[in-house]
Amino acid sequence: GAGVSQSPSNKVTEKGKDVELRCDPISGHTALYWYRQRLGQGLEFLIYFQGNSAPDKSGLPSDRFSAERTGESVSTLTIQRTQQEDSAVYLCASSPGGGMHYGYTFGSGTRLTVV
Amino acid sequence: DQQVKQNSPSLSVQEGRISILNCDYTNSMFDYFLWYKKYPAEGPTFLISISSIKDKNEDGRFTVFLNKSAKHLSLHIVPSQPGDSAVYFCAASGVTGGGNKLTFGTGTQLKVEL
Repeated sequence: GAGVSQSPSNKVTEKGKDVELRCDPISGHTALYWYRQRLGQGLEFLIYFQGNSAPDKSGLPSDRFSAERTGESVSTLTIQRTQQEDSAVYLCASSPGGGMHYGYTFGSGTRLTVV
Repeated sequence: DQQVKQNSPSLSVQEGRISILNCDYTNSMFDYFLWYKKYPAEGPTFLISISSIKDKNEDGRFTVFLNKSAKHLSLHIVPSQPGDSAVYFCAASGVTGGGNKLTFGTGTQLKVEL
């Protein structure tokens, strides 16, 4: 597709359940990022994939969070044993790699609500 | 540790006037700065950027100014239009940020009134 696609757009889950969020980046974009935005806060970096390099996981808040990416395509973000503080909009973005002149292209996000 | 700060959570401006959104950063290793605009229920969209080797970049109604010595940048929108009402995020990247990782501010909600 032309843009970054995320699914589902909304997810309500019970505390303690696992959830999986999906991101389809723009074709040809080698870099993929996950951010989250909790209510009233800014965008918080989670994880960054660049080509075949080891991902930068420095933003993952706990070991309940993990993400994978197959080559330069789809990525999934998994949250195990969800907690109420995990409620947020999870944003995926991709970029061609290289310079930052045009920044990232973001998807519309997945709104996760843990009840 | 908030490395990129937007101290004004909201700003209200009349249509046709200038909007000035401010951003401060603490990490002197940041070398590229961007502004994003976000409408409700949508992802942020790239607006304008500036490299640390410049002090001004202009694109139509939008101009970004960078003052490296003060570690301050600002986004000017003139003339402001009702469609500019959105949340504006300042972001920075640099060597210590880890490749192309962006560090974002908390955003400023701009409301352009008729």
